[in-house]
Amino acid sequence: DVKVTQSSRYLVKRTGEKVFLECVQDMDHENMFWYRQDPGLGLRLIYFSYDVKMKEKGDIPEGYSVSREKKERFSLILESASTNQTSMYLCASKTPAGRYEQYFGPGTRLTVT
Amino acid sequence: SQQGEEDPQALSIQEGENATMNCSYKTSINNLQWYRQNSGRGLVHLILIRSNEREKHSGRLRVTLDTSKKSSSLLITASRAADTASYFCATDRFGNEKLTFGTGTRLTIIP
Repeated sequence: DVKVTQSSRYLVKRTGEKVFLECVQDMDHENMFWYRQDPGLGLRLIYFSYDVKMKEKGDIPEGYSVSREKKERFSLILESASTNQTSMYLCASKTPAGRYEQYFGPGTRLTVT
Repeated sequence: SQQGEEDPQALSIQEGENATMNCSYKTSINNLQWYRQNSGRGLVHLILIRSNEREKHSGRLRVTLDTSKKSSSLLITASRAADTASYFCATDRFGNEKLTFGTGTRLTIIP
């Protein structure tokens, strides 16, 4: 079974702090994604990566950056956390080989105070 | 922008009844998928239907797709308490790896 893990289930940070959210997958998937989920808005794509050191902006990249130094790990970085970044963050991975389903981690609920 | 909109936003039914939820989308698609999310957890893939398919079954799940109306429905038969969750549709477009998710239907099964 594909396993996608996220470094924290719950995280509380202060405004202005630099925040790192880590995601690791164990199935050698090329594609990895970061979403945020807010009530009434569904999931919105922040960034995704096709391969190591490759990244593309999603629909809402402002205020975020990402890093993919190893194939199994995809990090989301909030350079200077703000209260409007309080949200549930979900990481996902998939193989590009003709399959379309994504495999999700358990999520990190981030609160910025 | 949100590609998919689920309807209804929330649904409560008695255990054993069938649950139907709908998804509408705006642009042409390659595939449409349904995912389930248990409270506060990640999403789990349920079923995928391709744009050239009209109906697909998997266990107690039945998905239909009407590309002329840009809509899909998910039917869960003989519902169980464990089906209590939020359900999301997601679409992808030809040549594009990204998924666009809808806003979800929150399903509650009353024992």
